[in-house]
Amino acid sequence: SYEVTQSPSVSVSPGQTASITCSGDKLGDKHACWYQQKPGQSPVLVIYQDNKRPSGIPERFSGSNSGNTATLTISGTQAMDEADYYCQAWGSRVFGGGTKLTVL
Amino acid sequence: EVQLVESGGGLVRPGGSLRLSCAASGFTFSSYSMNWVRQAPGKGLEWVSSISSSSSYIFYADSLKGRFTISRDNAKNALYLQMNSLRAEDTAVYFCARTINDGYAEWGQGTLVTVSS
Repeated sequence: SYEVTQSPSVSVSPGQTASITCSGDKLGDKHACWYQQKPGQSPVLVIYQDNKRPSGIPERFSGSNSGNTATLTISGTQAMDEADYYCQAWGSRVFGGGTKLTVL
Repeated sequence: EVQLVESGGGLVRPGGSLRLSCAASGFTFSSYSMNWVRQAPGKGLEWVSSISSSSSYIFYADSLKGRFTISRDNAKNALYLQMNSLRAEDTAVYFCARTINDGYAEWGQGTLVTVSS
């Protein structure tokens, strides 16, 4: 079955750019989406179809997907962005293991 | 306002069964694919099952090995997950989620299933 992998953790300083990656075989041939989950809360979709933002998601969230890697980029990271982030390879429905983003 | 409200979770002994429900409101339920996703305590998200709007297409995670059955009742705006032969490793919060544009755009608050003797 298809698998996608994420780094367990990423740290970033407030105001800087955070990049969270998701790797899978020919992932660029599928659509990738990204979810944010804060402790005790349900996940929230922040990127779909590789690079589209749902209504209400701040412009600082962006995405790309090419080759074997999808990337979630958070520009001007804020303390409120500290959360777990999960990628999902659409079509296979599988989630990555999640990346804990720490804003130091 | 879109609402997804899960229910039916609880404590069950290994080998037992549970039926989860997800009550949907605020949108035309019969037009959307729906999904179940679970999250074991302290762990990541795990896709469980998906069902198309008319129940024509149903998919399950390989790991479930036929123990779970997803269904829906469009007349009642309800999604279900029948879980049989439950194991300790099925302990998790179970979320229902609506598919929009190649993503799970809305999620319920989840219902906790604990499998323990």
